[in-house]
Amino acid sequence: QVQLQQSGPGLVKPSQTLSLTCAISGDSVSSNIATWNWIRQSPSRGLEWLGRTYYRSKWYYEYAVSVRGRVTINPDTSKNHFSLQLKSVTAEDTAVYYCARIGRAVSGTGAFDLWGLGTVVTVSS
Amino acid sequence: DIQMTQSPSTLSASVGDRVTITCRASQRINHWMAWYQQKPGKAPELLIYEVSNLASGVPSRFSGRGSGTEFTLTISGLQPDDFATYYCQQYNSYSRLFGQGTKLEIK
Repeated sequence: QVQLQQSGPGLVKPSQTLSLTCAISGDSVSSNIATWNWIRQSPSRGLEWLGRTYYRSKWYYEYAVSVRGRVTINPDTSKNHFSLQLKSVTAEDTAVYYCARIGRAVSGTGAFDLWGLGTVVTVSS
Repeated sequence: DIQMTQSPSTLSASVGDRVTITCRASQRINHWMAWYQQKPGKAPELLIYEVSNLASGVPSRFSGRGSGTEFTLTISGLQPDDFATYYCQQYNSYSRLFGQGTKLEIK
């Protein structure tokens, strides 16, 4: 059974970098079919896709316009996980952060078929 | 940029009812539409992808349809477990946008 296990701090100070990790079990971050995404949810912004990484003979990265320049998503093949880094955070970045997969069954459709449990991240001094 | 408008924002219904939620896009999005169910404190779960395809394990009382700019999710014969918040989501080369959500409440 495929699972996504999230980890990372729940409290980040303003202007610092938010860092989260999503560990994959039952699938591979290097899959030639899946894509690996980060999505966040807040009362003010709703559900917001942040970006993704995927491997198709080489690594690809795509980021949402709203966070481009502040966000980095990186795969780690040795640990079979992928990470999110969001720089220069403000209170507006307070949200529940989810990692999510677009897997084989929904490949090419843009639908997220597997989600992590979510990490509540608060930006506050 | 594509805008997604989901309606209604709240829907009150009873067990056994048939309900429909609508999602309208500001421009054509072909067939790249998905629907999710979310319960309090939980991650969203995929119900329907590519307008009308049921995700694995999803009961057949859920159905999706639509084309162009208007899409619907219908639940036929509401069960107690169906009272939750529902989101639409569109996908294209440039974005993956979610609707604002519809909270389905017990009447």
